[in-house]
Amino acid sequence: DIQMTQSPSSLSTSVGDRVTITCRASQGIGSSLNWYQQKPGKAPKLLIYAASSLQSGVPPRFSCSGSGTEFTLTISSLQPEDFATYFCQQSYSIPYTFGQGTKLEIK
Amino acid sequence: EVQLVESGGGLVKPGGSLRLSCAGSGFSFSNTWMNWVRQAPGKGLEWVGRIRDGGATDYAAPVKGRFTISHDDSLNTLSLQMTSLKTEDTAVYYCATDARYPYYDSLTGFSHFYAMDVWGQGTTVTVSS
Repeated sequence: DIQMTQSPSSLSTSVGDRVTITCRASQGIGSSLNWYQQKPGKAPKLLIYAASSLQSGVPPRFSCSGSGTEFTLTISSLQPEDFATYFCQQSYSIPYTFGQGTKLEIK
Repeated sequence: EVQLVESGGGLVKPGGSLRLSCAGSGFSFSNTWMNWVRQAPGKGLEWVGRIRDGGATDYAAPVKGRFTISHDDSLNTLSLQMTSLKTEDTAVYYCATDARYPYYDSLTGFSHFYAMDVWGQGTTVTVSS
């Protein structure tokens, strides 16, 4: 199975900050990398697919880069509604696997 | 608008069985790949399994042989039949579509990226004596 490792596990940040989350795959996955946002008590929401494509309706302050084994999710200017937990997920091979999550908290 | 609504969760004893349902609207299950994903209390997301068009299924190792995914096209409903339940199966269970995004690569030709683009609200399964 492909292991996905996110860092950091949590981040204390402020509105307006630039935030970067890293996701590493245990083997090359090309661009088969997705990012999800989850708020407490809610289902995950797809933000980015295929490593860099924004899902419809996702604001452009979200961006992602990378391919192969290392990927980053960047939020250019954090907004109050962005405080949530973010998960990366590889869809390169079955079983699909997720990172452990990165929780953004208000400083 | 594509919507998914799960149901069927509840409290069950270890060794018991439970059947979850996922009702879909705005699309047809017959040509949509579907996933089940679960989340144990306070933990991350864990992929459970997938059903592809034609009915082929894939499962995660911890549930293989115990869980069965199926869909009823006439009712537009996805199901997860869970047997021999263990305490570690306690989780919120989500159904999610497996969207396919086609692309062309000069080396490998046509292929797809996959992502779970629509999720239900989840249903809670508690396995406890």
